[in-house]
Amino acid sequence: DIVMTQSPDFLAVSLGERAAINCKSSRSVLYTSNTKNYLAWYQQKPGQTPKLLISWASTRESGVPDRFSGSGSETDFTLTISSLQAEDVAVYYCQQYYNTPFTFGQGTRLEIK
Amino acid sequence: QGQLAQSGAEAKKPGASVKVSCKASGYKFIDFYIHWVRQAPGQGLEWMGWINPSTGATIYAQRFEGRVTITRDTSNNTAYMEMSRLRADDTAFYYCTRGDKRGTVATAARHWGQGSLVTVSS
Repeated sequence: DIVMTQSPDFLAVSLGERAAINCKSSRSVLYTSNTKNYLAWYQQKPGQTPKLLISWASTRESGVPDRFSGSGSETDFTLTISSLQAEDVAVYYCQQYYNTPFTFGQGTRLEIK
Repeated sequence: QGQLAQSGAEAKKPGASVKVSCKASGYKFIDFYIHWVRQAPGQGLEWMGWINPSTGATIYAQRFEGRVTITRDTSNNTAYMEMSRLRADDTAFYYCTRGDKRGTVATAARHWGQGSLVTVSS
C-alpha cells in the first residue's frame, strides 16, 4: 500500500497569512504515460462531509477560491492557502488515487492563531 | 451533476451485520465507479473499496476483505456496502463517493453522500 504522510498534524496561522500543508507519499503517484500526479486534496469543515479542493495535484475544483493552490510531483506535494480566511478553518486531507487502496493522509487540522 | 443519497443511521450490536445504501440520481448510474470511505468519530478518512456499477466488479482494501461486500442494484440506481461481524471500532460514518470521469476508477472523489452513521455497541 502507498502510505501518505502529512505534516504538520496541526497548524495555526494568523488571518491573512500563508498556510502550507505537506503530503508525502511512500511511492511516486506520477503516472508517466500521461504525466499526471494522482493526488487530491480535500477540506473537511466541522460537522460536514469532505469537499474536493484539488485533483491531479494542482487542478483546482470549480468554485474553490484561488487562494488555494496545489503543487508538487511524484512523492512530495503541498497545499498552500495564500491568505488565510476565517472560513478556511478545517481539517485537510491528501489522497492518492494511483493504486488501490486509495489511501489518505492522516489529516492536518488548520486553525486561526 | 449527480447526487448520492445514503440511508439513515444504524445502531448494531457486536457481531451483527449492517447494510448501508447509496442511491444515485441526476446521472447515469452505470457510468461512474462508486467508492466507500469511512471515518470513525474524530478520526481520519479510510478508503474501503469500490464497485463498477456497470459490471459489478469490486475491489476492497485488504483489511476489509472477507468482512465487507459492496454490491449494486442497477434497476434502482443504488449501491450497497454490507459489513459483517461488526465490532465496536467499526463505529463510524460511512460515505459513498463518486469520481468525475466516466468509466474511470482512478479519479478524485468529487461527489460525496451525506454519510451514514453506524454505531456498534452492546
